[in-house]
Amino acid sequence: QVQLQQWGAGLLKPSETLSLTCAVYGGSFSNYYWSWIRQPPGKGLQWVAEISHSGTTRYNPSLKSRVTISVDTSKNQFSLKLSSLTAADTAVYYCARFQGYPGAFDIWGQGTMVTVSS
Amino acid sequence: SYVLTQPPSVSVAPGKTARITCAGNNIGIKSVHWYQQKPGQAPVLVIYYDGDRPSGIPERFSGSNSGNTATLTISRVEAGDEADYYCQVCDTSSDHVVFGGGTKLTVL
Repeated sequence: QVQLQQWGAGLLKPSETLSLTCAVYGGSFSNYYWSWIRQPPGKGLQWVAEISHSGTTRYNPSLKSRVTISVDTSKNQFSLKLSSLTAADTAVYYCARFQGYPGAFDIWGQGTMVTVSS
Repeated sequence: SYVLTQPPSVSVAPGKTARITCAGNNIGIKSVHWYQQKPGQAPVLVIYYDGDRPSGIPERFSGSNSGNTATLTISRVEAGDEADYYCQVCDTSSDHVVFGGGTKLTVL
C-alpha cells in the first residue's frame, strides 16, 4: 500500500522560503508524477506544482516565479520550495501522487499547515 | 485560464440522492475527477475519468460528464457523506491542473 509522508517547517516569517519534503513508501516511484497542492484556511484546493521521476516539471503560472519542485529518486522523495512568502501563502500544503495528464491525484499525504506571520 | 464552477452548497435528506455539478466551457471533452474532503482530513479521490470508482469507494458514488456540465451523484445519501466535494480537470491549453471551488454537502 502506497503511503506519502510529508514534513517541513510550519511557521515562517514574511519574505522567508518554505521548504517541504514528501517521502513515498511502497509502490512504484518512477511510473507516476508527484505534486504539491495547497489549501488556504477555509478555502478550496490550489494546484502548485508537479514533477516526474525524471525531473520534468510543471508549475501553476500564478506561482511559477517563486516555486521550485525537485525530486530525489534515490530516496523516493520530492520537495517543494516557495520563496518570498507572504501571509497569502498561509495554507495546508499536501503532497500527492498524480496519474499524469489528464488524470487524477489518487494518493495524498497528510498535509502540513504552513503559517506565514511576523 | 480554464474555470470550473461549483455550487457552494447542496443539502439533501438521508436516503435521498445528491447531485453536485461542476460547470466548465465544453467540459464534456475533458476528463473530470472528484474528491471528497472531510474536516481536518486530506482529500480522497471518489470518482476519476468522469465515472470510474477507485477501489473502496461505494457504488453509491457515480459520475457523468457531458456538454458544459459534469455531475457527481451520490445515491442513498448517508450522514457520513457530509463533506466538501471538489471537481478537477487538466487544462491542456494552459498546461496546468484546475480545481473547482468546492461544494459543501449537508445531510439534513
